[in-house]
Amino acid sequence: GAGVSQTPSNKVTEKGKYVELRCDPISGHTALYWYRQSLGQGPEFLIYFQGTGAADDSGLPNDRFFAVRPEGSVSTLKIQRTERGDSAVYLCASSLWASGSADTQYFGPGTRLTVL
Amino acid sequence: AQRVTQPEKLLSVFKGAPVELKCNYSYSGSPELFWYVQYSRQRLQLLLRHISRESIKGFTADLNKGETSFHLKKPFAQEEDSAMYYCALMVGGFQKLVFGTGTRLLVSP
Repeated sequence: GAGVSQTPSNKVTEKGKYVELRCDPISGHTALYWYRQSLGQGPEFLIYFQGTGAADDSGLPNDRFFAVRPEGSVSTLKIQRTERGDSAVYLCASSLWASGSADTQYFGPGTRLTVL
Repeated sequence: AQRVTQPEKLLSVFKGAPVELKCNYSYSGSPELFWYVQYSRQRLQLLLRHISRESIKGFTADLNKGETSFHLKKPFAQEEDSAMYYCALMVGGFQKLVFGTGTRLLVSP
């Protein structure tokens, strides 16, 4: 079946601009995660959705970052007033939800964001 | 605070040699650990998880709570094992993953 997809694959923007990054999870996966991977680093957690609600947004670096998942499927990560330090690969992952057990997270290909 | 440490940025071995990629963690709760792999131009994918105790592509990893380690091992490396390997710790409750910085494995013929 189809895996997690992310669009666009690459995004180049100018400092100060607004960007939206989209994630389509695997059908039926209720849990959705956003991570950010800077050069030479491992992925870093940003936010986690269970259904439509953000269950944990403790990883969002500041209030310029916001994410939504209005219908419990597709999610959009929004970054306002982008800064050069926001340049990274943004990864999305999804998983089934099973209370009390650790479910495998399936990752998308990522969106490479470059802020000039 | 939870943390995952992968001390080696690069591990270079010859085909057929044994491989051990090191991973140490820091976590006050009951750890659930994973190894993810990223082959060239592919997405991050799960290699194995300690709770399943299975061997994937000849790789194994044993959780050692006393040493807080989860090293990845393979007795005979293959060229197709060349990839980036990430160790990850699942933090209980909301299931977010804490990743190490990764180790690049290069297997030469």
